[in-house]
Amino acid sequence: AQSVTQLDSHVSVSEGTPVLLRCNYSSSYSPSLFWYVQHPNKGLQLLLKYTSAATLVKGINGFEAEFKKSETSFHLTKPSAHMSDAAEYFCVVSERTGGFKTIFGAGTRLFVKA
Amino acid sequence: EAGVTQSPTHLIKTRGQQATLRCSPISGHTSVYWYQQALGLGLQFLLWYDEGEERNRGNFPPRFSGRQFPNYSSELNVNALELEDSALYLCASSLKTGRNTEAFFGQGTRLTVV
Repeated sequence: AQSVTQLDSHVSVSEGTPVLLRCNYSSSYSPSLFWYVQHPNKGLQLLLKYTSAATLVKGINGFEAEFKKSETSFHLTKPSAHMSDAAEYFCVVSERTGGFKTIFGAGTRLFVKA
Repeated sequence: EAGVTQSPTHLIKTRGQQATLRCSPISGHTSVYWYQQALGLGLQFLLWYDEGEERNRGNFPPRFSGRQFPNYSSELNVNALELEDSALYLCASSLKTGRNTEAFFGQGTRLTVV
Protein backbone atom coordinates (compact mmCIF):
# COMPACT_ATOMS: atom_id res chain seq x y z
CA ALA A 1 0.00 0.00 0.00
CA GLN A 2 1.14 3.49 -0.78
CA SER A 3 1.10 6.24 1.83
CA VAL A 4 2.78 9.47 2.84
CA THR A 5 3.17 10.74 6.38
CA GLN A 6 4.31 14.24 7.14
CA LEU A 7 5.32 13.99 10.74
CA ASP A 8 4.64 17.61 11.72
CA SER A 9 1.53 19.60 10.92
CA HIS A 10 3.26 22.83 11.97
CA VAL A 11 6.92 23.83 12.21
CA SER A 12 8.10 27.16 13.56
CA VAL A 13 11.66 28.43 13.11
CA SER A 14 13.45 31.72 13.50
CA GLU A 15 14.77 33.50 10.45
CA GLY A 16 18.31 32.37 9.70
CA THR A 17 17.99 29.00 11.45
CA PRO A 18 17.78 25.61 9.72
CA VAL A 19 14.53 24.13 8.47
CA LEU A 20 13.63 20.44 8.69
CA LEU A 21 10.30 19.17 7.36
CA ARG A 22 9.91 15.44 7.80
CA CYS A 23 8.29 13.00 5.41
CA ASN A 24 8.04 9.23 5.54
CA TYR A 25 6.50 7.13 2.83
CA SER A 26 5.57 3.60 2.06
CA SER A 27 5.41 2.16 -1.41
CA SER A 28 5.29 -1.28 -2.91
CA TYR A 29 7.38 -0.16 -5.85
CA SER A 30 10.22 2.24 -6.45
CA PRO A 31 8.38 5.53 -6.11
CA SER A 32 8.93 9.01 -7.36
CA LEU A 33 9.04 11.56 -4.58
CA PHE A 34 8.30 15.26 -4.75
CA TRP A 35 8.07 18.27 -2.49
CA TYR A 36 5.64 21.04 -3.39
CA VAL A 37 5.17 24.42 -1.73
CA GLN A 38 1.95 26.39 -1.52
CA HIS A 39 2.11 30.05 -0.59
CA PRO A 40 -1.05 31.72 0.72
CA ASN A 41 -3.62 32.24 -2.02
CA LYS A 42 -1.33 30.72 -4.63
CA GLY A 43 -1.15 27.43 -6.43
CA LEU A 44 1.35 24.69 -5.74
CA GLN A 45 4.90 24.97 -7.00
CA LEU A 46 7.37 22.12 -7.35
CA LEU A 47 10.37 22.51 -5.06
CA LEU A 48 12.25 19.37 -6.02
CA LYS A 49 11.83 15.77 -7.09
CA TYR A 50 13.66 12.50 -6.58
CA THR A 51 14.38 10.72 -9.83
CA SER A 52 16.66 7.92 -8.55
CA ALA A 53 19.73 9.53 -10.11
CA ALA A 54 21.04 10.85 -6.80
CA THR A 55 19.85 10.43 -3.25
CA LEU A 56 20.49 14.09 -2.36
CA VAL A 57 18.23 16.29 -4.41
CA LYS A 58 18.66 20.05 -4.68
CA GLY A 59 15.67 22.21 -5.39
CA ILE A 60 14.75 25.84 -5.75
CA ASN A 61 15.20 28.53 -3.11
CA GLY A 62 18.00 26.65 -1.34
CA PHE A 63 15.91 23.64 -0.37
CA GLU A 64 17.17 20.10 -0.63
CA ALA A 65 15.95 16.64 0.33
CA GLU A 66 17.65 13.35 0.91
CA PHE A 67 16.12 10.05 -0.14
CA LYS A 68 16.88 7.36 2.44
CA LYS A 69 15.50 4.05 1.30
CA SER A 70 16.44 2.21 4.50
CA GLU A 71 14.45 4.72 6.54
CA THR A 72 11.76 5.26 3.86
CA SER A 73 12.21 8.98 4.39
CA PHE A 74 12.46 12.04 2.18
CA HIS A 75 12.97 14.93 4.59
CA LEU A 76 13.15 18.49 3.29
CA THR A 77 15.85 20.80 4.63
CA LYS A 78 17.21 24.29 4.21
CA PRO A 79 20.27 25.63 6.02
CA SER A 80 18.86 29.07 6.75
CA ALA A 81 15.19 30.05 6.79
CA HIS A 82 13.95 33.23 5.18
CA MET A 83 10.71 35.02 5.93
CA SER A 84 9.53 34.27 2.40
CA ASP A 85 9.74 30.52 3.13
CA ALA A 86 6.62 30.72 5.28
CA ALA A 87 4.13 28.51 3.43
CA GLU A 88 2.62 25.06 3.40
CA TYR A 89 4.76 22.20 2.16
CA PHE A 90 3.51 18.93 0.72
CA CYS A 91 5.42 15.71 0.35
CA VAL A 92 4.16 13.62 -2.56
CA VAL A 93 4.74 10.02 -3.57
CA SER A 94 3.85 8.75 -6.98
CA GLU A 95 4.05 5.33 -8.48
CA ARG A 96 2.90 3.89 -11.74
CA THR A 97 1.65 0.38 -11.31
CA GLY A 98 -0.53 -0.25 -14.31
CA GLY A 99 -2.43 2.84 -13.30
CA PHE A 100 -1.59 6.10 -11.68
CA LYS A 101 -1.33 6.69 -7.97
CA THR A 102 -0.20 9.94 -6.52
CA ILE A 103 -0.62 10.56 -2.83
CA PHE A 104 -0.15 13.90 -1.14
CA GLY A 105 0.90 14.18 2.46
CA ALA A 106 -1.33 16.19 4.79
CA GLY A 107 1.03 19.14 4.58
CA THR A 108 3.32 20.95 7.00
CA ARG A 109 2.80 24.61 7.63
CA LEU A 110 6.10 26.43 8.12
CA PHE A 111 6.15 29.58 10.22
CA VAL A 112 9.23 31.80 10.15
CA LYS A 113 9.74 34.24 13.00
CA ALA A 114 11.74 37.43 12.62
CA GLU B 1 4.58 30.22 -21.82
CA ALA B 2 1.23 30.30 -20.07
CA GLY B 3 0.82 28.10 -17.03
CA VAL B 4 -2.19 26.09 -16.00
CA THR B 5 -5.23 28.35 -15.90
CA GLN B 6 -8.40 27.74 -13.96
CA SER B 7 -11.72 29.51 -14.07
CA PRO B 8 -13.50 30.92 -12.29
CA THR B 9 -11.23 31.89 -9.41
CA HIS B 10 -14.17 32.02 -7.04
CA LEU B 11 -17.58 30.41 -7.24
CA ILE B 12 -20.47 30.65 -4.84
CA LYS B 13 -23.34 28.19 -5.12
CA THR B 14 -26.24 27.11 -2.98
CA ARG B 15 -26.75 23.61 -1.70
CA GLY B 16 -28.24 21.31 -4.33
CA GLN B 17 -26.98 23.29 -7.29
CA GLN B 18 -24.38 22.19 -9.80
CA ALA B 19 -20.90 23.69 -10.20
CA THR B 20 -18.68 23.57 -13.26
CA LEU B 21 -14.98 24.29 -12.94
CA ARG B 22 -12.66 24.66 -15.88
CA CYS B 23 -8.99 24.04 -16.45
CA SER B 24 -6.65 24.74 -19.35
CA PRO B 25 -3.40 22.80 -19.20
CA ILE B 26 0.01 23.95 -20.28
CA SER B 27 0.41 23.68 -24.03
CA GLY B 28 1.63 20.22 -24.95
CA HIS B 29 0.44 18.58 -21.73
CA THR B 30 -2.03 15.77 -22.26
CA SER B 31 -2.68 14.81 -18.64
CA VAL B 32 -4.95 16.79 -16.35
CA TYR B 33 -5.51 16.08 -12.68
CA TRP B 34 -8.08 17.46 -10.27
CA TYR B 35 -7.58 17.76 -6.53
CA GLN B 36 -9.77 18.98 -3.71
CA GLN B 37 -8.18 20.91 -0.88
CA ALA B 38 -10.70 21.21 1.91
CA LEU B 39 -9.88 22.96 5.15
CA GLY B 40 -8.11 20.56 7.48
CA LEU B 41 -8.18 17.66 5.02
CA GLY B 42 -5.13 18.30 2.88
CA LEU B 43 -5.06 17.56 -0.82
CA GLN B 44 -7.31 14.78 -2.01
CA PHE B 45 -6.97 13.27 -5.47
CA LEU B 46 -10.19 13.51 -7.46
CA LEU B 47 -9.67 12.60 -11.10
CA TRP B 48 -7.02 12.02 -13.73
CA TYR B 49 -7.63 12.49 -17.45
CA ASP B 50 -5.21 11.68 -20.18
CA GLU B 51 -5.82 12.08 -23.91
CA GLY B 52 -9.52 12.50 -23.42
CA GLU B 53 -10.14 9.53 -21.16
CA GLU B 54 -10.61 9.14 -17.44
CA ARG B 55 -7.63 7.12 -16.22
CA ASN B 56 -8.13 7.07 -12.50
CA ARG B 57 -10.49 8.30 -9.88
CA GLY B 58 -10.14 9.11 -6.21
CA ASN B 59 -12.49 8.14 -3.44
CA PHE B 60 -15.29 10.60 -4.23
CA PRO B 61 -18.99 10.00 -4.94
CA PRO B 62 -20.29 9.84 -8.53
CA ARG B 63 -21.71 13.36 -8.32
CA PHE B 64 -18.11 14.45 -8.88
CA SER B 65 -17.46 13.97 -12.57
CA GLY B 66 -15.60 15.57 -15.39
CA ARG B 67 -14.32 15.31 -18.88
CA GLN B 68 -11.39 16.22 -21.03
CA PHE B 69 -11.83 17.86 -24.39
CA PRO B 70 -9.87 17.23 -27.62
CA ASN B 71 -7.73 20.28 -26.86
CA TYR B 72 -6.90 18.66 -23.47
CA SER B 73 -8.73 21.28 -21.42
CA SER B 74 -10.93 19.83 -18.74
CA GLU B 75 -14.10 20.42 -16.77
CA LEU B 76 -14.94 19.27 -13.30
CA ASN B 77 -18.64 19.03 -12.52
CA VAL B 78 -20.04 18.71 -9.06
CA ASN B 79 -23.76 17.90 -8.89
CA ALA B 80 -26.14 18.19 -5.96
CA LEU B 81 -23.72 20.40 -4.06
CA GLU B 82 -23.32 19.87 -0.35
CA LEU B 83 -21.88 22.27 2.19
CA GLU B 84 -18.88 19.97 2.65
CA ASP B 85 -17.95 20.49 -1.01
CA SER B 86 -16.70 23.95 -0.12
CA ALA B 87 -12.99 23.81 -0.87
CA LEU B 88 -10.20 24.94 -3.13
CA TYR B 89 -10.17 22.83 -6.28
CA LEU B 90 -6.79 22.56 -7.91
CA CYS B 91 -6.07 21.47 -11.42
CA ALA B 92 -2.66 20.26 -12.54
CA SER B 93 -1.27 19.21 -15.88
CA SER B 94 1.70 17.22 -17.02
CA LEU B 95 3.16 15.54 -20.02
CA LYS B 96 1.89 12.01 -20.44
CA THR B 97 2.34 10.48 -17.05
CA GLY B 98 5.57 8.70 -16.49
CA ARG B 99 7.45 7.67 -13.41
CA ASN B 100 9.03 11.04 -12.76
CA THR B 101 6.51 13.31 -14.38
CA GLU B 102 6.23 16.71 -12.77
CA ALA B 103 2.77 18.21 -12.43
CA PHE B 104 2.23 21.94 -12.74
CA PHE B 105 -0.63 23.41 -10.76
CA GLY B 106 -3.09 26.18 -11.45
CA GLN B 107 -4.12 28.78 -8.89
CA GLY B 108 -7.31 26.96 -8.08
CA THR B 109 -11.01 27.67 -7.95
CA ARG B 110 -12.43 28.39 -4.54
CA LEU B 111 -15.91 26.92 -4.35
CA THR B 112 -18.16 28.06 -1.56
CA VAL B 113 -21.46 26.26 -0.99
CA VAL B 114 -23.97 28.13 1.12
